[in-house]
Amino acid sequence: DTGVSQDPRHKITKRGQNVTFRCDPISEHNRLYWYRQTLGQGPEFLTYFQNEAQLEKSRLLSDRFSAERPKGSFSTLEIQRTEQGDSAMYLCASSPRSGTSGNTIYFGEGSWLTVV
Amino acid sequence: QKEVEQDPGPLSVPEGAIVSLNCTYSNSAFQYFMWYRQYSRKGPELLMYTYSSGNKEDGRFTAQVDKSSKYISLFIRDSQPSDSATYLCATKPGEYGNKLVFGAGTILRVKS
Repeated sequence: DTGVSQDPRHKITKRGQNVTFRCDPISEHNRLYWYRQTLGQGPEFLTYFQNEAQLEKSRLLSDRFSAERPKGSFSTLEIQRTEQGDSAMYLCASSPRSGTSGNTIYFGEGSWLTVV
Repeated sequence: QKEVEQDPGPLSVPEGAIVSLNCTYSNSAFQYFMWYRQYSRKGPELLMYTYSSGNKEDGRFTAQVDKSSKYISLFIRDSQPSDSATYLCATKPGEYGNKLVFGAGTILRVKS
């Protein structure tokens, strides 16, 4: 399977614990995105990488959230001191370099987070 | 007011029906429009994208954009039970815009 891969698919954690999600984009896609989706809502943009550079962050990304993309390949999203409001599906997506194909943004299967 | 509005449904139709799914948007800067299909507890799957106004057809799916009224549509012909899913419209400003803005999604149920 050469799609966007996310791990873990499901995570249950206690309030106050830290969690980390990993995303492996489609190979040769230099753009990588993180979104968050709650029940009954569409995905909301969190942050964007072009290669290893984090170029845009949403106001939704509080200080407890940090994303990295070392070497411009896989990416991690860490949430520190989790709160119940962080319970959501965290989606990773990637897209090719540029041109009209840059509009084809492909999503992974998501990582479900439940904070208890 | 949300930037992209979408009726959440659910929309229930018999197998074989033509389905019409719609979104409205408020920002004139939006130029690229996408439709995603999302099955329960899965990630969104890109169905189609269109640029500016006009129609685009792909198999049983037709995407339509009317920029003058800020209205986008997805038509599904000969609907199948396997089409039952949530359909999300999304848009972004310009070719190099990085942030997709999504509607809340419409739940579609196709009854056999």
